[in-house]
This record gives sequence, structure tokens and C-alpha cells, in this order.
Amino acid sequence: DTGVSQDPRHKITKRGQNVTFRCDPISEHNRLYWYRQTLGQGPEFLTYFQNEAQLEKSRLLSDRFSAERPKGSFSTLEIQRTEQGDSAMYLCASSATTGRLGEAFFGQGTRLTVV
Amino acid sequence: AQKVTQVQTEISVVEKEDVTLDCVYETRDTTYYLFWYKQPPSGELVFLIRRNSFDEQNEISGRYSWNFQKSTSSFNFTITASQVVDSAVYFCALSEIQGAQKLVFGQGTRLTINP
Repeated sequence: DTGVSQDPRHKITKRGQNVTFRCDPISEHNRLYWYRQTLGQGPEFLTYFQNEAQLEKSRLLSDRFSAERPKGSFSTLEIQRTEQGDSAMYLCASSATTGRLGEAFFGQGTRLTVV
Repeated sequence: AQKVTQVQTEISVVEKEDVTLDCVYETRDTTYYLFWYKQPPSGELVFLIRRNSFDEQNEISGRYSWNFQKSTSSFNFTITASQVVDSAVYFCALSEIQGAQKLVFGQGTRLTINP
């Protein structure tokens, strides 16, 4: 296991379409996070899972967004009825609750372009 | 509310020069973590360091050093003898120690090292 992996790396979609992204965290990490990064800005927190439970959601996460982490392993982030303002890099991160606390390791992200 | 401000938006220096990236933060928590991440053009956020708020000892790792001053709420990052490979966007971030430990990022400093 070499790190956090995200799929796809790039996604171009038409406005109004639904998209789904996948994140596979580091296998021993039980915490998983989704962040969104727009051009020229730092990443912003979207949501957080501990194992399969979604424990926190940002106000940035409108009702068009949904995230799941079945069985506490991989996670998916779905955006319904995409809008141009959803264009951004979506980053997934994972961390452990023991040992190196707080150290989140990030995937390479999924760059979404809504046209 | 937590907030991180990175003083410089962009820095450009010539190779072998020393460079310091400034970070100032705000939090009402008495204990917290501070981080620096590097984001190369590939997009993946690379973890560099985590500091606990109760440990103000400065840290050096090779050409990298960090100066944490709780009295001024600053956590600055210095690269000594910079190299072209250091060119990237660098993010300072803050998180709570308890709870979700979600990261609050600054807006980033784009560092360009010219040969």
C-alpha cells in the first residue's frame, strides 16, 4: 500500500450531470476526509468519516453532495446536478487514530471541470 | 473560529538563497496542531511537519527548519540553500487535537526557485 489513491484523476462533465469520485485510503487509517480546492486557494474541508460513520460535514457540502464510506474502507463522493461552481480539485486524505495523530496523507486529487 | 494567514502569496528567489515562508494563525483552542504541506505541480499535498502547540522547540530537517512562536501565533518555515526542486506551493495548516482533526489551510505561498 503506497498511499491514498483517487480515481479518476480528471473528470470533465456537462452542467447538470452527476459525477462520482472514489478514494482508497491508506489501509490501516480509519479516518477519511474530503477537501475541495479551487484555483489559487488552500483546500477547504468538506466531510469526515471515522470508519464507516460520517461524523462531520461542512456547510460547503450542499444537498447536491453526498459521501459514503461503506464498510469503513474506500469512500465515494457524488455530486448531483453539477454546476460550473463545482469545478475544483477534490482531495481525499486519510489519517490514523493511533501513533502519528493528526498527520493526514493526501491523494493526488480528482480535478473536476464542469462545462 | 480557526484561521490561517500566509503572509506571502508568491516568492521568487535564485537558487542557493535562503527563503522564509511566514504563517500566522488564529484559534481559541488552547491545544492544537500546526502543519506545513508542499504541493508540487502534480497536485498531491505532501506532508512536511506537524507540531503540537505545547512544544515550542524549533525543528530542523536537512535544509528545512521551522520556527514556532506561540506568543506571536506564528509558525514560519525556512528553506536553506534553496534548490529548483523546492519550487511548489506551500501550505500552512492548523487543526484541533481532539475531534475530527480537520485541517484549516492558509491560502498558500507559491515559491519559485530560479536557476
